[in-house]
Amino acid sequence: EVHLVQSGAEVKKPGESLKISCKASGYTFTGHWIGWVRQMPGKGVQWIGIIYPGDSDIRYNPSMQGQVTISADTSITTAYLEWNSLKASDSAIYYCARQNAYSPFDSWGQGTLVTVSS
Amino acid sequence: DIQLTQSPSFLSASVGDRVTITCRASQGISTFLAWYQQKPGKAPKLLIYAASILQSGVPSGFSGGGSGTQFTLTINSLQPEDFATYYCQQVYSYPYTFGQGTQVEIK
Repeated sequence: EVHLVQSGAEVKKPGESLKISCKASGYTFTGHWIGWVRQMPGKGVQWIGIIYPGDSDIRYNPSMQGQVTISADTSITTAYLEWNSLKASDSAIYYCARQNAYSPFDSWGQGTLVTVSS
Repeated sequence: DIQLTQSPSFLSASVGDRVTITCRASQGISTFLAWYQQKPGKAPKLLIYAASILQSGVPSGFSGGGSGTQFTLTINSLQPEDFATYYCQQVYSYPYTFGQGTQVEIK
């Protein structure tokens, strides 16, 4: 059974850095894309980007490229979403999810709440 | 980017009603469209992919249709557990955009 377990909630100040994680199990990590989705408070969902751990191919949403970095560590079957300098507008729930090429997200993590406040 | 516009944004219905949600794409996406259900405090759940294929485990009361730029999600007989927010997503070209969502509430 596919399991995606995300790291816990974070409270940060503007300008701080952050890296959240998504631990995958139950499938071949290097054989599927894994992606990130943002949900701001009371809003819809937004596609951030995806990574193919097998060859580290990464596709970003152009509207978010440069603001976040997606990575993966195949040795521990974990994907990451990272910020160098957080803004208050980064406050949201972030979900990781698995997909195949040209297919939707079929398994999701439980979400990580990120709060950025001075 | 491909824009997806859902209608309506909000829908009030009763248990047993048949409801249809529409998703319109800004350009043709063949059948590269999925539907998700999200309940408060939970991650979205995949319901339908390739426009009309029911994900394993999803009740048969859900159905999807369409191709090109116009798609529909139909719930044949609303059950109490179906009251949620529904999103469409295109997986035709990057970025894989979502619609703005349709909230289905109890009348």
